[in-house]
Amino acid sequence: DAGITQSPRHKVTETGTPVTLRCHQTENHRYMYWYRQDPGHGLRLIHYSYGVKDTDKGEVSDGYSVSRSKTEDFLLTLESATSSQTSVYFCAISESQIHPYEQYFGPGTRLTVT
Amino acid sequence: KNQVEQSPQSLIILEGKNCTLQCNYTVSPFSNLRWYKQDTGRGPVSLTIMTFSENTKSNGRYTATLDADTKQSSLHITASQLSDSASYICVVSERNSGYALNFGKGTSLLVTP
Repeated sequence: DAGITQSPRHKVTETGTPVTLRCHQTENHRYMYWYRQDPGHGLRLIHYSYGVKDTDKGEVSDGYSVSRSKTEDFLLTLESATSSQTSVYFCAISESQIHPYEQYFGPGTRLTVT
Repeated sequence: KNQVEQSPQSLIILEGKNCTLQCNYTVSPFSNLRWYKQDTGRGPVSLTIMTFSENTKSNGRYTATLDADTKQSSLHITASQLSDSASYICVVSERNSGYALNFGKGTSLLVTP
């Protein structure tokens, strides 16, 4: 998984609680991404980062916030989890955003909101 | 809206047989097309990336083709193995958008003994 770890790998939480997912990379890549994967949908971009403290919204950013204080770490926070945020979350990294660039994915975090 | 459609949705084949997965897209202006393999419980792993000027690319027993005129791509798997059981995802990039990748929903392939 290209030097990418995600934690936790599995989490069950209750509606209304805050949740933070962590992505850690050892590749020193500049760009990092958070996606969610749901049945019946392709992977959808939540937020991405183009450097330390530089982030931007993706296609499905409502209800999520991110932070990147170090090159190697990208955090995804659900301020108040809802059942619609039950999903598998993938972190990805890339060295560039000049096409065609490779994007490498982490192992994923399965989040269940009850 | 940019779309990527894959077919079939799922496929079952016998070990040793060949199969072909399809991807049609409406993304424009086109930059490149990727095929990813995603094993159950794992993240997607890149198989091939093809730009506008490439119409065939191979990675071992995997061969991807691209027809940019008809906006179609296929992934051909030769002499399938049990380890080929996975979801195969087609991803198309738009030329003017660095970060935005358009993901298909995937084809779920099961190779049986």
